[in-house]
Amino acid sequence: SQTIHQWPATLVQPVGSPLSLECTVEGTSNPNLYWYRQAAGRGLQLLFYSVGIGQISSEVPQNLSASRPQDRQFILSSKKLLLSDSGFYLCAWTIGASGTETQYFGPGTRLLVL
Amino acid sequence: AQSVAQPEDQVNVAEGNPLTVKCTYSVSGNPYLFWYVQYPNRGLQFLLKYITGDNLVKGSYGFEAEFNKSQTSFHLKKPSALVSDSALYFCAVREAANYGQNFVFGPGTRLSVLP
Repeated sequence: SQTIHQWPATLVQPVGSPLSLECTVEGTSNPNLYWYRQAAGRGLQLLFYSVGIGQISSEVPQNLSASRPQDRQFILSSKKLLLSDSGFYLCAWTIGASGTETQYFGPGTRLLVL
Repeated sequence: AQSVAQPEDQVNVAEGNPLTVKCTYSVSGNPYLFWYVQYPNRGLQFLLKYITGDNLVKGSYGFEAEFNKSQTSFHLKKPSALVSDSALYFCAVREAANYGQNFVFGPGTRLSVLP
C-alpha cells in the first residue's frame, strides 16, 4: 500500500532563515505531487504541483520554491522565511490524470516563523 | 472557474442526532466531488467521492453524501453523530472535462458533536 511521509513534523524558525521541508511517497511510481499551505486551521492554498521529476508548477507567487529531485520526493524550500510563511504545510499525491483519482495527504508540517 | 462553498462555518449537533454538512459547487461541466475530514494537527483524510452513477455515495465511518445536480450540491450526512466525528470537514471539486485542473477546496466546516 502507498504511504506518504513528511518531515519534520514541527519546525520553529527565525525570520530570514532558510527552509527545507521534505515529502516522500512510498509504494507507487510517477505520482502527481502537491504542496498546500493551511493557515489557522482553515482553507487550503495550493502552492505547487508536479507531474514528474523536475516539472514544477507554481500556483502562487511568493518567496517559496519547490523541487522534485526524484520520482517520489518533493521538497519545499525558502531562502529567507517571512512571518507570513507560518502555517501548516501539507503534501499530497495522486496517481493518473483522469480527474477521478483521489488525492491523499501526508501528516503535515507545522511551521512557526518568529 | 471552479469554486466550492461551504456556507456554514460551524455546525453543532448532539450525539446520536443526524448531521449534515453542506457543500455547493460551481464548475463549467460535470463535477467530480470529494469530502475530506481533518482532525487537529493531522493531514486530511479521504471520506468519499462522487464520480458518476448513483447520486448517493457511501464512504468511510458511516458517512454518505448526496449529489444533486440541479442544486449543484453535495451535502455530507451521517444518520447518527458520534463525539469522535468532531473535526474539520472539507468539500473539494474537480471539473470532469478538464484533466489539467487541480482540486479546489472549500473553506471548511467545523463540526462539533456534543455529548
